[in-house]
Amino acid sequence: QVQLQESGPGLVKPSQTLSLTCTVSGGSISSGNYFWSWVRQPAGKGLEWIGRIYASGTTNNNPSLKSRITISVDTSKSQFSLRLSSVTAADTAIYYCARGKIPTGGHLDNWGQGTLVTVSS
Amino acid sequence: DIVMTQSPDSLAVSLGERATINCKSSQSVLYSSNNKSYLAWHQQKPGQPPKLLIYWASTRESGVPDRFSGSGSGTDFTLTISSLQAEDVAIYYCQQYYSTPITFGQGTRLEIK
Repeated sequence: QVQLQESGPGLVKPSQTLSLTCTVSGGSISSGNYFWSWVRQPAGKGLEWIGRIYASGTTNNNPSLKSRITISVDTSKSQFSLRLSSVTAADTAIYYCARGKIPTGGHLDNWGQGTLVTVSS
Repeated sequence: DIVMTQSPDSLAVSLGERATINCKSSQSVLYSSNNKSYLAWHQQKPGQPPKLLIYWASTRESGVPDRFSGSGSGTDFTLTISSLQAEDVAIYYCQQYYSTPITFGQGTRLEIK
């Protein structure tokens, strides 16, 4: 059974860059059957899709976050990463990594436990 | 972007009774090439990540109890819990994956009456 685990700083200062990594175990991050996504959830609120990356390195990002997002993959480490620049308090949220299953259209079938990131000085 | 709207926002149902949650998309999420609606349902219990219940609008994920069922096509969808159990207390989200950005409904909070 695949497992995803987020890691990274829990506190980021305003205007700085948020950096998170998701480590994938129990399955191959290089598989052509999956893509790898980031989703976030402010406290008490709903889910917002941030973006995704395929093992090839192709990405799709949420235009609502404009050009602040960079998603990358390191297949040798079985990890993919998120960088979100110029953060503000509005970026405070639980950040989840998730797997998307391509053969069935791309639904998100496995989620990490999530990591809380607070933006504060 | 495809806007997903769920109703109701919250719902209280007695144990053993049926719970029904609706989801409407602002445009069709039906792929004509395979006649599949690209709509999933997730369950999120307090302090936990979301968990996939249903994909392709009506296909139950492996291991999900059969009291959970999904229906609908195109723009209108329903998640039904046939006989509510205490462990079903959660927030339920619909999600479209027809196009990017992937979008979610605002969530429906399900409680015991």
